[in-house]
Amino acid sequence: NAGVTQTPKFRVLKTGQSMTLLCAQDMNHEYMYWYRQDPGMGLRLIHYSVGEGTTAKGEVPDGYNVSRLKKQNFLLGLESAAPSQTSVYFCASSYSKRNTEAFFGQGTRLTVV
Amino acid sequence: DAKTTQPTSMDCAEGRAANLPCNHSTISGNEYVYWYRQIHSQGPQYIIHGLKNNETNEMASLIITEDRKSSTLILPHATLRDTAVYYCIVLIREYASNTGKLIFGQGTTLQVKP
Repeated sequence: NAGVTQTPKFRVLKTGQSMTLLCAQDMNHEYMYWYRQDPGMGLRLIHYSVGEGTTAKGEVPDGYNVSRLKKQNFLLGLESAAPSQTSVYFCASSYSKRNTEAFFGQGTRLTVV
Repeated sequence: DAKTTQPTSMDCAEGRAANLPCNHSTISGNEYVYWYRQIHSQGPQYIIHGLKNNETNEMASLIITEDRKSSTLILPHATLRDTAVYYCIVLIREYASNTGKLIFGQGTTLQVKP
């Protein structure tokens, strides 16, 4: 039982490049979330999904797209990376409708130069 | 959206109880108080949650005031491994999507000292 797995763990991008971050969970959770965390700050919600095939915007969605084609996977895409997107990205999943206990991945450290 | 206010940082002696306060004066009647912590830039870890009654689990206790405008997370015997950023969160329910979104604030940095 791996929990929540994020791929990759580290990445350096050039401005304007695109990439996709993968989040996979093996707990059969319905709800999945993408957050970003900048140095010295709390986590900010980018997008979330309440089930396969559905996505919704969070606090800071601009510059990102997401997809949830399979229940166990939640993809975060950057179409044209900008230095302002340099951050640590965390994925989370939960089963309960009240998000009773969200499980987090270990993070992806992304640097855009 | 109900917001929370926490002190920026706190110190605690190892072996002593750590009491972390949180103010949430605009909390609604059906909103829960959740606590998470983040150790050294790892993914956040769930600690405990409650609605209006006090709660206890193997990690901590949660004391919620009768008016629900504030709460305190108690780590009964703090260890060096409890050094972390602690987040107090009020669960925001999105009725349209029938789910709650965890919205994080700045948290309290707890430093447990030998």
